[in-house]
Amino acid sequence: AQKITQTQPGMFVQEKEAVTLDCTYDTSDQSYGLFWYKQPSSGEMIFLIYQGSYDEQNATEGRYSLNFQKARKSANLVISASQLGDSAMYFCLLSNFGNEKLTFGTGTRLTIIP
Amino acid sequence: NAGVTQTPKFQVLKTGQSMTLQCAQDMNHNSMYWYRQDPGMGLRLIYYSASEGTTDKGEVPNGYNVSRLNKREFSLRLESAAPSQTSVYFCASSEVGYLQETQYFGPGTRLLVL
Repeated sequence: AQKITQTQPGMFVQEKEAVTLDCTYDTSDQSYGLFWYKQPSSGEMIFLIYQGSYDEQNATEGRYSLNFQKARKSANLVISASQLGDSAMYFCLLSNFGNEKLTFGTGTRLTIIP
Repeated sequence: NAGVTQTPKFQVLKTGQSMTLQCAQDMNHNSMYWYRQDPGMGLRLIYYSASEGTTDKGEVPNGYNVSRLNKREFSLRLESAAPSQTSVYFCASSEVGYLQETQYFGPGTRLLVL
C-alpha cells in the first residue's frame, strides 16, 4: 500500500517570505514520481512541479523548487518570495510506477498575508 | 485552445436520479481521468482511460460508469445517484500514460445529491 501525508492543514506566511510545504510518502516501489498541484479558490488544479525518484537533482520551476530527500521519503515544496497570488490549496501527488497507482495528499491551505 | 472542459458546472440531483458528466479535451491527449474531491480527502481517482477504447477502474469506481466516446471525450455516468456522491468532480487529461505525465485538469463539476 502507498500513502502520502501532508501534515500542515493550513499555513499563514508573510508576503515575500519563503515557504515550505511538507509532503512525506510511503511506498515500497523504487520507481515513482511526485507532483505538486495548486488549487486556487476558483477551483481549478494547476500543475507546479514534478520529481522522479531517479532524478538526481532537485526539480525547480521558477519560484518553485522541490526539496527531495529520498532516504527520508519527503518531497517538500519550497516557494521563494511568496506573493499574494500564491494563496491556495496545495496538493502533493504520489505516482507509483510499479502498481500504477496515483495517491493525492489531503492538501495544505496556504494564505499569504500582505 | 480551451484545454479541458467540463459540463455542467453545477448540478443538483435527487437520490436515485441518473446523470452524465461530460468532459472534452482539445490537446490531442491520449489519456483521460475522472476524480472526485471531497473535503479533507484530496482527490481520488474514479476511472481512467489510458487510450481511446480502454477504460480502467481507479480507487473509488463503485456507483459510476464511464465511456471513452472518442479521443477527445470521456464521460462519467451516475446511474442511481446517492447522497454519498455529493462531491466536486474533476476531469483531467495527459499526453501519454498518467504515471509520469503532467495532468491537465478541467474546472470541475459541483454535484449535490439530495
